[in-house]
Amino acid sequence: GENVEQHPSTLSVQEGDSAVIKCTYSDSASNYFPWYKQELGKRPQLIIDIRSNVGEKKDQRIAVTLNKTAKHFSLHITETQPEDSAVYFCAASTGAAGNKLTFGGGTRVLVKP
Amino acid sequence: DAMVIQNPRYQVTQFGKPVTLSCSQTLNHNVMYWYQQKSSQAPKLLFHYYDKDFNNEADTPDNFQSRRPNTSFCFLDIRSPGLGDAAMYLCATSRDPVNEQFFGPGTRLTVL
Repeated sequence: GENVEQHPSTLSVQEGDSAVIKCTYSDSASNYFPWYKQELGKRPQLIIDIRSNVGEKKDQRIAVTLNKTAKHFSLHITETQPEDSAVYFCAASTGAAGNKLTFGGGTRVLVKP
Repeated sequence: DAMVIQNPRYQVTQFGKPVTLSCSQTLNHNVMYWYQQKSSQAPKLLFHYYDKDFNNEADTPDNFQSRRPNTSFCFLDIRSPGLGDAAMYLCATSRDPVNEQFFGPGTRLTVL
């Protein structure tokens, strides 16, 4: 089955700096790659996703890049703010029946004011 | 305008005492999922329903069962909770297999 590895497990950045989280996946059939943000005690919420027919997608301060050949994808947060502090999970799915998401292990991001 | 609702938000049960967690959705989504999330870990899929078709993960213990009586509701039954079952249980829904999953707020289960 699919295996998703996520790095780093913790990331501390100064407010205003950029943060980058990287994930690799094993199943070349995976074609849907969402990123979820989970604040302490709250539900995971989708912040951005990308499909395999696109190499990059951007939404304001957040961008995701996908390298299908290397089977890795990355989340980029620019101009970080304290409210970006949370745990971020990448995931991969083949999009087959049931759309099973395989999650990475998570990255705890701390933005220091 | 709640979309995925879970009840109760907090559940305390005794070791071995059956418990049922509830999930309902107003999105009319075809797929409903149950995840278990322990502290500082990623959500772990237990099972999911695609319409009425039940799909169990290979490593989900037999102690965990699920029911989906209609499109809107899905239940997680833990027949004999152990201390290791203490976790946050998240319900999620998606419109179809290739779209965003919407998570409910979760039920935090404590086993005494």
